[in-house]
Order: sequence, then C-alpha cells, then structure tokens
Amino acid sequence: ETGVTQSPTHLIKTRGQQVTLRCSSQSGHNTVSWYQQALGQGPQFIFQYYREEENGRGNFPPRFSGLQFPNYSSELNVNALELDDSALYLCASSSLASNEQFFGPGTRLTVL
Amino acid sequence: QQQVKQSPQSLIVQKGGISIINCAYENTAFDYFPWYQQFPGKGPALLIAIRPDVSEKKEGRFTISFNKSAKQFSLHIMDSQPGDSATYFCAAGRKGGYQKVTFGTGTKLQVIP
Repeated sequence: ETGVTQSPTHLIKTRGQQVTLRCSSQSGHNTVSWYQQALGQGPQFIFQYYREEENGRGNFPPRFSGLQFPNYSSELNVNALELDDSALYLCASSSLASNEQFFGPGTRLTVL
Repeated sequence: QQQVKQSPQSLIVQKGGISIINCAYENTAFDYFPWYQQFPGKGPALLIAIRPDVSEKKEGRFTISFNKSAKQFSLHIMDSQPGDSATYFCAAGRKGGYQKVTFGTGTKLQVIP
C-alpha cells in the first residue's frame, strides 16, 4: 500500500508568482484535503476535494484553488503569491466514510 | 477563531516519566478527536483517536482521556522515551458535509535522558 506522496519537496518563488503543488493520495482513498502549516503553528484547513469537486473550504482567498483528477490525485494552485504564503503545505487523503486522514510529507514553499 | 485550544506550548519530561498534553474545544458538533505526532520535516502522523461515546482509549503507551461535559481531552504518554520527542497536535473533526479537522496549536515535547 502506497502512502500519500507530495511534490516538490521544496520550492522557492517570488512575490506575485504562481505555484502548483501536487499530491498523490493513498491507495483506496477518494478524498483529498489540503492544509497550510505556518512555522510553529498547527495546520490550517484550505479545502477538500471529493469526486473531482471542491467539497468544503476554509478561510482562504480564491487565489488558492485546486483540482482533483480521476485517479484521486490532486493539485493545489496559488496565484499572486504573497510573503505570508510561505509555509509547509500538507496534503491528506481519506475515504469519505472515515474521518481518519493520512498526511503526506508536505511541500515547503518559500516566497521571497 | 481558535476552536481547539492546546496546552502547554512546550514540555520537557525525563525519560520514563509521563507526558500530559491538554486540549479544549468549543464546537459541540465535533465527534472525532485525533492526536497527531509530527517530527521535523515530516507531515503529521495519526497517533490515536477517540470518539465522544467513550471516556478513555489506550494504545500501548498512549492514552486519550475524554471529558465530554467539560469539552476537554488529553493525551498521556506513559514511560516517555527520547524517541517520543516531537510536536503533538490535538485536533477535532465532525462528520457530515465535508471532512475537516481543526488542529490545536501544538505542543513541542522533549524527552531528556
């Protein structure tokens, strides 16, 4: 059984640029959630995807958007990057029948 | 709005001691209370979870105690080991609509030999 994987591991961008982060969910899971974890803080829920549609969203602006593909993998896109977007971005997969979420190792995004 | 409050922010425990981390929640709709362990550079890993119909759950050295009336729950790590040194997050979630887990602010645990 393959766990949740994310790419890239690290990324450096400049303010105003756009970024795409990728996630492959754990085998058998059809739901993907994305979280932002600032340094020294707990993860904050961005949004969740189920059956290729956004299924719920946290308090993040529309410049944070996502996709889920038929194989349940997912992308997180962030436009017009701001310095405060620097964080660890975590992807978590689960089955809709269960609350249990399994996290990937994250992508460390630095915005300069 | 902080819906899950966690304390202490940091904790130093001697090897063999008991580590205790406390959390409190506000939303009575929460019905799932997991604890996650996170090592530097890694994503959070599910450690143990409890539902509000039980007051205690034990898995190995890890125990969750749950007080529904007080809206509080805690993690006890018995016989703490240096390998337990990590950041621990409590969280709360609910069924229905969409899954969302609300995390506490984390407790950095250091177990010293």
